[in-house]
Amino acid sequence: GAVVSQHPSRVICKSGTSVKIECRSLDFQATTMFWYRQFPKQSLMLMATSNEGSKATYEQGVEKDKFLINHASLTLSTLTVTSAHPEDSSFYICSARWDRGTYEQYFGPGTRLTVT
Amino acid sequence: GNSVTQMEGPVTLSEEAFLTINCTYTATGYPSLFWYVQYPGEGLQLLLKATKADDKGSNKGFEATYRKETTSFHLEKGSVQVSDSAVYFCALRDSGGSNYKLTFGKGTLLTVNP
Repeated sequence: GAVVSQHPSRVICKSGTSVKIECRSLDFQATTMFWYRQFPKQSLMLMATSNEGSKATYEQGVEKDKFLINHASLTLSTLTVTSAHPEDSSFYICSARWDRGTYEQYFGPGTRLTVT
Repeated sequence: GNSVTQMEGPVTLSEEAFLTINCTYTATGYPSLFWYVQYPGEGLQLLLKATKADDKGSNKGFEATYRKETTSFHLEKGSVQVSDSAVYFCALRDSGGSNYKLTFGKGTLLTVNP
């Protein structure tokens, strides 16, 4: 149980276009999902916390107009990178929080975004 | 604020060697502590956790003990395998509020050679 999927696993897009990444909790409901960004050989940087039915809470320094987060249901959150540029190329990982008992976060497999 | 410091890698070991990856933390309150593992090209998997002082988390031969007096949560394994090659992250989670956010260390790359 507690499986989180991400789609796509890899995406290549041209500079100036937008790309959407989906994060789904497959077998549990997640009121809260988190979006992280990971640079090569570095740790995970929390970008935003996404709560179902409300606006996401962004960490300091993260552009909310560039990284649009929607959490429309208890099993789906999306991250849209708008007007992508090469510096947005990164590994994006989502996690979904189990809202009963342990409040564990379960991580998706990540999405590799390359902007050319 | 909260922070996690773990030993910098990379760590290279031969198969069956003993592994220690040090992790210390700074936190207010009583955090829960975690070790996550990330295999190449994949997301993070929870390896083990401990929720209070003196708890020992263990899984797949790995173990770590929550030491409040030294604010540490060092990861150990008695005999590593090639399949243990991965990046290991130490993390803490606040005891409440803040949506139970995780704070990660920078990660330690472990390579185990046959």
